[in-house]
Amino acid sequence: KQEVTQIPAALSVPEGENLVLNCSFTDSAIYNLQWFRQDPGKGLTSLLLIQSSQREQTSGRLNASLDKSSGRSTLYIAASQPGDSATYLCAVSGSGGSNYKLTFGKGTLLTVNP
Amino acid sequence: GAGVSQSPRYKVAKRGQDVALRCDPISGHVSLFWYQQALGQGPEFLTYFQNEAQLDKSGLPSDRFFAERPEGSVSTLKIQRTQQEDSAVYLCASSLQQGAINEQFFGPGTRLTVL
Repeated sequence: KQEVTQIPAALSVPEGENLVLNCSFTDSAIYNLQWFRQDPGKGLTSLLLIQSSQREQTSGRLNASLDKSSGRSTLYIAASQPGDSATYLCAVSGSGGSNYKLTFGKGTLLTVNP
Repeated sequence: GAGVSQSPRYKVAKRGQDVALRCDPISGHVSLFWYQQALGQGPEFLTYFQNEAQLDKSGLPSDRFFAERPEGSVSTLKIQRTQQEDSAVYLCASSLQQGAINEQFFGPGTRLTVL
């Protein structure tokens, strides 16, 4: 059974700092990996999707990398802002017949202090 | 265009009551998913529809949970005889086509509290 772990569980940084969020998964046979953002009381906002054949994706100040063989992904946030404060969730979809099913980590709660 | 919408946003039920949660996916999206998110946890898969066909219901926790999507658009998740352990946020997601290559877009969720 796929398990996804996110480290750290919580992170507090001053505004302007560059930071890295980590995600690991136990079964490297994934179809893709998505990073989401969740604000309190809100649903999930998709940030980046990396297909299993890709190594990284970038969107603005966000960069996500994927090392499928080692079961790891990182989300890099450059020049953090208070508006980046949220919970960041990593999710992988399995290979084979259940490639639509996302398995999530518990998330990293990020606080960016002004 | 409009995103995924869910109603109600909040639902309080007494133990033993039946509840129905509604999801309106993005127009034209073929695939629809339901997830359950307990407090402090990541979402967990419940069920998957491709158009009106329910292709996977392996994540439904018990036979008290039932989902349908009769016309391949709006979906309803029904929970019968609610229990306290059913308290969670229920998230609906949709994607344009079948398969994992397509991003899943999530609604705001319905927060269910069972007293």
